[in-house]
Amino acid sequence: AQSVTQLGSHVSVSEGALVLLRCNYSSSVPPYLFWYVQYPNQGLQLLLKYTSAATLVKGINDFEAEFKKSETSFHLTKPSAHMSDAAEYFCAVSNSGGSNYKLTFGKGTLLTVNP
Amino acid sequence: GAGVSQSPRYKVAKRGQDVALRCDPISGHVSLFWYQQALGQGPEFLTYFQNEAQLDKSGLPSDRFFAERPEGSVSTLKIQRTQQEDSAVYLCASSLTNGILNEKLFFGSGTQLSVL
Repeated sequence: AQSVTQLGSHVSVSEGALVLLRCNYSSSVPPYLFWYVQYPNQGLQLLLKYTSAATLVKGINDFEAEFKKSETSFHLTKPSAHMSDAAEYFCAVSNSGGSNYKLTFGKGTLLTVNP
Repeated sequence: GAGVSQSPRYKVAKRGQDVALRCDPISGHVSLFWYQQALGQGPEFLTYFQNEAQLDKSGLPSDRFFAERPEGSVSTLKIQRTQQEDSAVYLCASSLTNGILNEKLFFGSGTQLSVL
């Protein structure tokens, strides 16, 4: 079985500050890892994904995440927050087995950006 | 269409009523997924279609839940005899071929179901 833990249900940063959203996973097989963003009244959008290539993954809007197997982590970062980054962020894991189409999501982290 | 479309956007049902939620995936997309998102939780997998074939329904919570995609395009999620615990946002997603690892998964905005 696989699971995802997102530390902090709510993170608040100032505009221009570093964004760090934490995600730890549990998986019995090599995982595939994803970050999704959900803006109000919109569908989930893929920010970035790790599928066993480079451990540092770059996504849209200057977000990036690093896969650290030893720490079972896949934290999301952005050097400088913009007001438009305010949204809910979900980390998700899939596996390399037969049901790799199935995503297991964390509970989400709501990011607030203060002016 | 331009994206995945779900209707209705909001649905209020009395306990015991049957409801039907519709998903129009992006034209030509082979794979279609349904997820359930309870308040304060992440989405949870319900079921997966490849064209008209329902390949995985392991996430459906009970036999009151039924999904179909008869012509391999539009899908309907039906919930019979709704209960309060069914209150959630139901998300539909589609992808071009048969996987999510090497391509993008497109989500709709969801149907928010409230059972009174």
